[in-house]
Amino acid sequence: NAGVTQTPKFRILKIGQSMTLQCTQDMNHNYMYWYRQDPGMGLKLIYYSVGAGITDKGEVPNGYNVSRSTTEDFPLRLELAAPSQTSVYFCASRVLPEGYTFGSGTRLTVV
Amino acid sequence: GQQVMQIPQYQHVQEGEDFTTYCNSSTTLSNIQWYKQRPGGHPVFLIQLVKSGEVKKQKRLTFQFGEAKKNSSLHITATQTTDVGTYFCAFPNYGGSQGNLIFGKGTKLSVKP
Repeated sequence: NAGVTQTPKFRILKIGQSMTLQCTQDMNHNYMYWYRQDPGMGLKLIYYSVGAGITDKGEVPNGYNVSRSTTEDFPLRLELAAPSQTSVYFCASRVLPEGYTFGSGTRLTVV
Repeated sequence: GQQVMQIPQYQHVQEGEDFTTYCNSSTTLSNIQWYKQRPGGHPVFLIQLVKSGEVKKQKRLTFQFGEAKKNSSLHITATQTTDVGTYFCAFPNYGGSQGNLIFGKGTKLSVKP
């Protein structure tokens, strides 16, 4: 099993550009999440999904969108990138009641 | 909203010294999880505590859940350089029906050889 795979690992965007962060898991987990991590601020939930076709907002959803067309994939879309979106983005999945399995992250810089 | 206070924010120890990080909540938690994140890496699940007063051990790591289920601690005995990283506690958001976790801000541990 590859676990949770995130691509790309690094990306530099210009203000106003858009991009999609990819997340794929091969563990057949229903629950998937997107978090962002800013220095010294812990992890904040952006969006989550409890299964294919079902998504919901987390704590900091503004400026992002998600879709969940399959159990395996949970892409995060950034529209009109802003410097405030410079962060490390982690995708995670789980099967209750186990803990999260995180991907290796995407380091995004918006300039 | 729900949150936990995790202390200390930073801890610098000499190799061989012990280390403890604490998570404190104002509300009763159904369960609590602990994660470790190495520098430049991603969080890795360590353990989940569910029962009041529960104590679990993983080699040199001891995890405790308070009797009132409002606080938890992670204790490392005789730290090693491999223990370097940030330790996070996390707990379910609003009962956890969606599996969401809220993370503490973490305790960053550095170990001087």
